[in-house]
Amino acid sequence: DTEVTQTPKHLVMGMTNKKSLKCEQHMGHRAMYWYKQKAKKPPELMFVYSYEKLSINESVPSRFSPECPNSSLLNLHLHALQPEDSALYLCASSQVETSGYYEQYFGPGTRLTVT
Amino acid sequence: TQLLEQSPQFLSIQEGENLTVYCNSSSVFSSLQWYRQEPGEGPVLLVTVVTGGEVKKLKRLTFQFGDARKDSSLHITAAQPGDTGLYLCAGLEYGNKLVFGAGTILRVKS
Repeated sequence: DTEVTQTPKHLVMGMTNKKSLKCEQHMGHRAMYWYKQKAKKPPELMFVYSYEKLSINESVPSRFSPECPNSSLLNLHLHALQPEDSALYLCASSQVETSGYYEQYFGPGTRLTVT
Repeated sequence: TQLLEQSPQFLSIQEGENLTVYCNSSSVFSSLQWYRQEPGEGPVLLVTVVTGGEVKKLKRLTFQFGDARKDSSLHITAAQPGDTGLYLCAGLEYGNKLVFGAGTILRVKS
């Protein structure tokens, strides 16, 4: 099973709202990721969690707040977003890279629209 | 950060034609992955190549990893409308980071 699930599938929120995106995997992976993707562009890395600890933050604005409650779950808390934050948000998971080889599996994404 | 140059950016072909997508870098990658993505969905992993010179086949898709592990190609034989999508190559960088190419938008017309 190589499934990563994400909820919700679609989300529309105002600039003053607070919402959360959720991601779950049961592959025993200990690395989890958030990406942002604009139409017809490659995914852009936002955050990496390794063994439930934040290991990479790609200078993401503080209105995006990640959380990794346990090894299977990853959340992205959203607050005071801007219309330009509208995008497809992707979660991914993998083994932790130790020997230079791992495979990253993506979820179906959450289509976020900020009004 | 290492860079991956992917070409072409757009490809529109007729059903039954063959095509090749290229990914090139001046840096060595320990492994390289190819993904296919449909609009509104997440990327789906097609293949991972690890060894220099490696060739992998997935039905009508053939993947090659260059001998020096700096470049890779995806060849599709007899393309079908179902092959339409965004194709992404991604190289593994140190620290659990994937470096993505810009992507190739493929449209196969029937």
